[in-house]
Amino acid sequence: AQTVTQSQPEMSVQEAETVTLSCTYDTSESDYYLFWYKQPPSRQMILVIRQEAYKQQNATENRFSVNFQKAAKSFSLKISDSQLGDAAMYFCAYRVWGNAGNMLTFGGGTRLMVKP
Amino acid sequence: DAGVIQSPRHEVTEMGQEVTLRCKPISGHDYLFWYRQTMMRGLELLIYFNNNVPIDDSGMPEDRFSAKMPNASFSTLKIQPSEPRDSAVYFCASSLAGVETQYFGPGTRLLVL
Repeated sequence: AQTVTQSQPEMSVQEAETVTLSCTYDTSESDYYLFWYKQPPSRQMILVIRQEAYKQQNATENRFSVNFQKAAKSFSLKISDSQLGDAAMYFCAYRVWGNAGNMLTFGGGTRLMVKP
Repeated sequence: DAGVIQSPRHEVTEMGQEVTLRCKPISGHDYLFWYRQTMMRGLELLIYFNNNVPIDDSGMPEDRFSAKMPNASFSTLKIQPSEPRDSAVYFCASSLAGVETQYFGPGTRLLVL
């Protein structure tokens, strides 16, 4: 079974600074997807970024980028120029390639606090 | 373009009552998922549908839970009878084959007293 581990229950960052959230996963599959979702206090689950395992290039979305290390099964999220609105729970998630119905396996989440 | 719509957003009920949660997926999406989020267990998949057909309901906790998808634009998750341990946030998500990303609704926060 696949597992996703987020070892940092809480992180804090100063506004305008950079923070990195860690995620590791365990799988025997070679093709899969990885995602970061953001959950603000409103509880909405918002997709931040996704990475296909076959791609060597790290995904980037504006201030959000990932460091994907396939051999190490590591998928960290870097937030640059942190903003107050970035404060939220962040969930790392994994999905096997191919079948769009395959379930997402989520990590336990990291609560990010942004200090003004 | 509307995202996934869920109703109600909040539900407070008493133990033993029937609860029905509703979801409208993104138009054109052919997969629909029901997740439950609790502090103890995090996010768990309950059931998912493909083209309105339930494919995997192994995550449904027990017979008190049932889900239906009568058409491509509507699904329900029913709990009967409800219990306090069912208190959680229930999310509906949808995706399109070939696109792979699941888009989540705003969730329904259920409190069973």
